[in-house]
Amino acid sequence: KQEVTQIPAALSVPEGENLVLNCSFTDSAIYNLQWFRQDPGKGLTSLLLIQSSQREQTSGRLNASLDKSSGRSTLYIAASQPGDSATYLCAVRGNTPLVFGKGTRLSVIA
Amino acid sequence: DAMVIQNPRYQVTQFGKPVTLSCSQTLNHNVMYWYQQKSSQAPKLLFHYYDKDFNNEADTPDNFQSRRPNTSFCFLDIRSPGLGDAAMYLCATSRVVSGGGDTQYFGPGTRLTVL
Repeated sequence: KQEVTQIPAALSVPEGENLVLNCSFTDSAIYNLQWFRQDPGKGLTSLLLIQSSQREQTSGRLNASLDKSSGRSTLYIAASQPGDSATYLCAVRGNTPLVFGKGTRLSVIA
Repeated sequence: DAMVIQNPRYQVTQFGKPVTLSCSQTLNHNVMYWYQQKSSQAPKLLFHYYDKDFNNEADTPDNFQSRRPNTSFCFLDIRSPGLGDAAMYLCATSRVVSGGGDTQYFGPGTRLTVL
């Protein structure tokens, strides 16, 4: 059974810092991996989708990498801003619907 | 412009009083999913429909039921809500259940409060 772990559970950084969020999964037989953002009390916003054949995807200040063989992904956020404060969830898709991690709660302090 | 719509966004019900949450989609996707997300937890899949085929997760309580009368709509019925059922309920759609080249699109969620 696929399990997704995200470390750290919470992170607080000063504005302007670059940061990395980590995601690991136990079954490397995945088709794709997705990073989501969730604001408090809100639904999910898809940030980046990486296919299993890809190594990374970029969108603005966000860069996600995937090492499928080792079961790891990272989300890199450059020049963090207070508006980036949210929970970031990682989810993988294999022969089942998306399986999620618990997320990393990010606070960017002005 | 909205692709996956959930109503209501906030629902308050009383302990034991049946409640129905609604999801609709404009994507014409074959698959519709319901996830439950409790505070600081990962979204947990309750069940999904592939067209009219219903697929229940093994650990989904019997208290939770679902209906899909047509391609566009899917409902989540909670027969006798308990305090532990208070959560965010997320609806999602996709073309297929698994496989690459496809993604799940999520609605804004319905936050359920049980008094």
